[in-house]
Amino acid sequence: QVQLKESGPVLVQASETLSLTCTVSGFSLTNYGVIWVRQPPGKGLEWMGIIWRNGNTDYNSALKSRLSINRDTSKSQVFLKMNSLQTDDTAIYYCTRVYWELFFDYWGQGVMVTVSS
Amino acid sequence: DIVMTQSPSSLAVSAGETVTINCKSSQSLLSSGNQKNYLAWYQQKPGQSPKLLIYLASTRESGVPDRFIGSGSGTDFTLTISSVQAEDLADYYCQQHYSYWTFGGGTKLELK
Repeated sequence: QVQLKESGPVLVQASETLSLTCTVSGFSLTNYGVIWVRQPPGKGLEWMGIIWRNGNTDYNSALKSRLSINRDTSKSQVFLKMNSLQTDDTAIYYCTRVYWELFFDYWGQGVMVTVSS
Repeated sequence: DIVMTQSPSSLAVSAGETVTINCKSSQSLLSSGNQKNYLAWYQQKPGQSPKLLIYLASTRESGVPDRFIGSGSGTDFTLTISSVQAEDLADYYCQQHYSYWTFGGGTKLELK
């Protein structure tokens, strides 16, 4: 069955770089895109960036200067790197599968990342 | 960027009631090519990841109960939950998928 699982550090210092990994199973990264979405505590959802099935990437304009997404198809992994972290980057970070390149049909459990000053 | 505005931000209901959640987009989500509206609804229960309920404005995801009904077109959309059950208490988000993606601010459905 389709599964996505995020992994990475739960505590990061301000100004440092966040590195997260999304490991997927049950589908191929060459057939589906994967998006990163984040949710600050008690707040709403924000899409961060996508790696399309062809390997191209697009980023939310608000984060574009700080964000990088790539993948290793042989390991079924997608990687997120975001630099210059601030305390308002504290959030749950989810990876999700994009269906028909339109909506998000499967989500990981999320990883709570706290940025400490 | 397309801005999505949801209302109300919270809603207190009793079991068995019918509830309506509204979502308005800053520009039309109707594709002229296929006449589909590019809007989705998600449900997020406490401590859980969001779950896809409805896409293309009115198509229920597999396994979603038929008491969840999506409707609307253009810039105005509605999620109706008929005969609310305790398991439906959650946060609900609309999302446009017409131009990249934007979520509404969410509606918290609570018990009265």
